[in-house]
Amino acid sequence: NAGVMQNPRHLVRRRGQEARLRCSPMKGHSHVYWYRQLPEEGLKFMVYLQKENIIDESGMPKERFSAEFPKEGPSILRIQQVVRGDSAAYFCASSLTGVGANVLTFGAGSRLTVL
Amino acid sequence: SQQGEEDPQALSIQEGENATMNCSYKTSINNLQWYRQNSGRGLVHLILIRSNEREKHSGRLRVTLDTSKKSSSLLITASRAADTASYFCATDAGSGGSNYKLTFGKGTLLTVNP
Repeated sequence: NAGVMQNPRHLVRRRGQEARLRCSPMKGHSHVYWYRQLPEEGLKFMVYLQKENIIDESGMPKERFSAEFPKEGPSILRIQQVVRGDSAAYFCASSLTGVGANVLTFGAGSRLTVL
Repeated sequence: SQQGEEDPQALSIQEGENATMNCSYKTSINNLQWYRQNSGRGLVHLILIRSNEREKHSGRLRVTLDTSKKSSSLLITASRAADTASYFCATDAGSGGSNYKLTFGKGTLLTVNP
């Protein structure tokens, strides 16, 4: 069981470019979450998805950010026209269910640096 | 509003000593969890305590929860150098809220010196 797989682990983009971060959940998990971590900060919830559905995107900026979890393939977090403030570690997590005692399994993260 | 808030922000101890980290939160919860993060890595779940539980043990870990004070503590006994990491508490939104959305504090950086 490979756990939650994220790629790329490190991504460097110039201001105005697009960043695409991918996440394959743990085998058997159909609930995916994206969190962002700024330096010296805790993780901040961005979005919760199930296959082909966005359940809650209340933590995601309305502009430039989008997420999807298609029927086939990994979940994608897409950031358009990146700015320096987008530099952070982006963590994907998955869970077996989305209710009850929701224990998350995290990936190793994707570290985005915007020059 | 921020939920979990850990203290101290940083803790340095010698191997073999016990480490205690505290977490305070603001609103009601269903569950409180502790996670560990090694430098540059993802978070690893350590232990979950439900709002109707007061204490829970897992190996060298002991977690307490005081819902009247809205606080929790994580005790690591007989610490090892390998316990060096950041430790985060995470809370859900409690009754009537979304319990899939975890709110994390800023964490306690624990350094265990050999």
